[in-house]
Amino acid sequence: NAGVTQTPKFQVLKTGQSMTLQCAQDMNHEYMSWYRQDPGMGLRLIHYSVGAGITDQGEVPNGYNVSRSTTEDFPLRLLSAAPSQTSVYFCASSPTPGFTEAFFGQGTRLTVV
Amino acid sequence: EDQVTQSPEALRLQEGESSSLNCSYTVSGLRGLFWYRQDPGKGPEFLFTLYSAGEEKEKERLKATLTKKESFLHITAPKPEDSATYLCAVQAGGSQGNLIFGKGTKLSVKP
Repeated sequence: NAGVTQTPKFQVLKTGQSMTLQCAQDMNHEYMSWYRQDPGMGLRLIHYSVGAGITDQGEVPNGYNVSRSTTEDFPLRLLSAAPSQTSVYFCASSPTPGFTEAFFGQGTRLTVV
Repeated sequence: EDQVTQSPEALRLQEGESSSLNCSYTVSGLRGLFWYRQDPGKGPEFLFTLYSAGEEKEKERLKATLTKKESFLHITAPKPEDSATYLCAVQAGGSQGNLIFGKGTKLSVKP
């Protein structure tokens, strides 16, 4: 049982480049979300999805896009990378949108130079 | 504004020295309070969910409690393997499952 799988684990981008962070879960969870974690700050929600075809913005959505074409996958796209997007990104999933624990991936450490 | 504050930021204990971590929160309609453990370079790992004041949950050396304003994570006779950052998060009413995290408490347990 793989749980939540994120790829890549590490990435270095140049300012202005675009890329997609991949997230896949094999638990048939309806709810998936993306967080970023920065030193001295708590995890902050970027985007979330309550099911295939449904996405919405979280606390810090600017500069990021998401889509949810299948239950399993929830990719996060950086359109034009900026140094302020240097962070560790975590994908999470849970069976339903509320009242239940979230399962987190191992994270993607992104550096934008 | 919904907010979660954890204290202390860092805590150093000797093996066997019991202590508590604090998580105070202000949220409109608490649906759940969650405790996670995070090891360096890893994603958060779920520990407990608490739903209402007075509720308690236990797991090995950890015990989580909840009041109307705060939660405590009590660590009894900690071991070096309990060293990690402990995160507290709340889910507000009408939030569609989104979590609001505190900054965490970094616990170090020395042998």
